[in-house]
Amino acid sequence: QVQLQESGPGLVKPSETLSLTCSVSGGSISRYYWSWIRQPAGKGLEWIGRIYTSGSTNYNPSLKSRVTMSVDMSKNQFSLKLTSVTAADTAVYYCATQDPSRSYAFDIWGQGTTVTVSS
Amino acid sequence: SYELTLPLSVSVALGQTARITCGGNNIGGKNVHWYQQKPGQAPVLVIYRDNNRPSGIPERFSGSNSGNTATLTISRAQAGDEADYYCQVWDSSTVVFGGGAKLTVL
Repeated sequence: QVQLQESGPGLVKPSETLSLTCSVSGGSISRYYWSWIRQPAGKGLEWIGRIYTSGSTNYNPSLKSRVTMSVDMSKNQFSLKLTSVTAADTAVYYCATQDPSRSYAFDIWGQGTTVTVSS
Repeated sequence: SYELTLPLSVSVALGQTARITCGGNNIGGKNVHWYQQKPGQAPVLVIYRDNNRPSGIPERFSGSNSGNTATLTISRAQAGDEADYYCQVWDSSTVVFGGGAKLTVL
């Protein structure tokens, strides 16, 4: 069973770049799409974007100008970079994967990591 | 952009049936997925592609999708079903989540 674990700084200063990594265990990263989703405290889920192991990406249009995703197959990891962060980017960040056989539903999620943007 | 509309809150008596609706323009033409999220936890997929349950999800959870409304039905509601529920679709190669509905079991 594939498991996901997010890691990265819990505190980022305004205007700087948020960088997170999701480690994949129990399976190969080469088989699926990999997404980042975030959730501000007390609010709903917001999809940030996804990457396939070929490197192809889809990003949320509202964040596209600030988002870069990458995948490192040798480490079984994928990453998120979000530039020019503000307090509005404070949230729990989840990595998740989609099963093509389930019409790309997010069937596996990481536990989430809290990122606070503050000076 | 595509929008999904859920009620902010839904209440159900213990043991009764809860229905949570997800509205969207011609949503019946899309695959709808449903997630359950309890406080402090990551979301869990409870229904995929309108009406399919992943293994480990009780048969009490079911779904339907037609026209402009998708519905998550929870039969014989239990206290443990109290959670936020989100619907989700794909539209133009992007993911859309509904705003979330809080289910309260009375």
